[in-house]
Formats: sequence, C-alpha cells, structure tokens
Amino acid sequence: NAGVTQTPKFRILKIGQSMTLQCTQDMNHNYMYWYRQDPGMGLKLIYYSVGAGITDKGEVPNGYNVSRSTTEDFPLRLELAAPSQTSVYFCASSGVGQGLNEQYFGPGTRLTVT
Amino acid sequence: QQQVKQSPQSLIVQKGGISIINCAYENTAFDYFPWYQQFPGKGPALLIAIRPDVSEKKEGRFTISFNKSAKQFSLHIMDSQPGDSATYFCAASGSPRKLIWGLGTSLAVNP
Repeated sequence: NAGVTQTPKFRILKIGQSMTLQCTQDMNHNYMYWYRQDPGMGLKLIYYSVGAGITDKGEVPNGYNVSRSTTEDFPLRLELAAPSQTSVYFCASSGVGQGLNEQYFGPGTRLTVT
Repeated sequence: QQQVKQSPQSLIVQKGGISIINCAYENTAFDYFPWYQQFPGKGPALLIAIRPDVSEKKEGRFTISFNKSAKQFSLHIMDSQPGDSATYFCAASGSPRKLIWGLGTSLAVNP
C-alpha cells in the first residue's frame, strides 16, 4: 500500500492564479481531510469528507473548495491564490469503526504564493 | 478560540532524560486524545493515543497520562534519544473524528 499520496510536492503560484492539490489514498478509508500547517500554528482543518459525495467545512475553508467523487480521491482547489495561502498542505485519511481513529498523513505540498 | 492548549512550545532534553509535554482541553465531549510525531519535511504520524476510560497508556518509551477531572493529558518520553528530536502535537476529538490540534512542541534531544 502506498498510503496517502499528494502531488505536487512543491508549487509556486502567482497571486490570482488557481491550482488543484491532488490527494489519493489506497486504504479504502471513508474519512479524508485537508489541513494547512503554518509555522508555530499547528494544523488547521480546511475541509473534510466522511465519504464519497459528502464534504464539509473545517476551521479555515475560505478560499478553498473540495470535491469527493470517489473513495480514493479528495482534491483541494485554490481559486484566486493569495499570499495568505502560502503554507504546507497535508491530506489525511482515516477508517470507520472502533479503534480506527488514526489519521494517516500524506507527505505534504509546500505552496508559495507570490 | 483554541480548545487544546499545549506546552511548552519548545523543549531541550539531554540524552537519557525524560521529556514531558502537557496538553489541556476544554470540551468535555472529547473522547479521543492522540499524540502525533512530525519530523521535518514529513507529515505527522500517530505515536500513541488514549481514551478517557483509562488514566495511563504505555507503549515502549512513550507514556500518556490522562487526568479527566483536570481535563489534562501529557506525553512522557523516557530515556529520550536524539532520534526523538521532532515536533510533537497533541490533539483531541469527539464525533465525527475532527481532530482539534495543539500548536506543537519542538523537542531537541542533545547527544
């Protein structure tokens, strides 16, 4: 199993550009998450999904959109990139049921908006 | 409003010493308390987790102590090693598995 994979690893965007961060998991997990991590600020939940076709906002959803058409994929869309979106983005997934709370994280995407 | 408060922000320990990181939470509905370890350039990875029906859980050199009445839990790393140098995050969650994260503790273990 590859676990959670994210692409790209690094990206530089100009202000106003758009892009999609890709996330795929091969563990058949129902739950998937997108976080951003800023220095000294911990992890902030952007969006999450409890299954295909179901998504919901987290703490910091403004400026982002998500979709979940399959169990495996959970892309994050940035529209009109702003410098405040410079961050490291992590995708994670977890299973359902007692004892399956562990969130498995991808390697992250480092995004710079200039 | 931060619902999980973590301290200290950074910690330096000598090899062989004990590292202690503390967290406090506010929401009594939380029922799952994990600790994650993150190395530079990597995503966080689950280290150890506890539920509120036990006061302590030990896995190797890592122990979680949980005080439900005080709404506090802590991570103890015994015989700390240079390879333990990383950032540690506590978190808490209720339903539906949305973790609320502490701000992290940067641990450096000197050889």
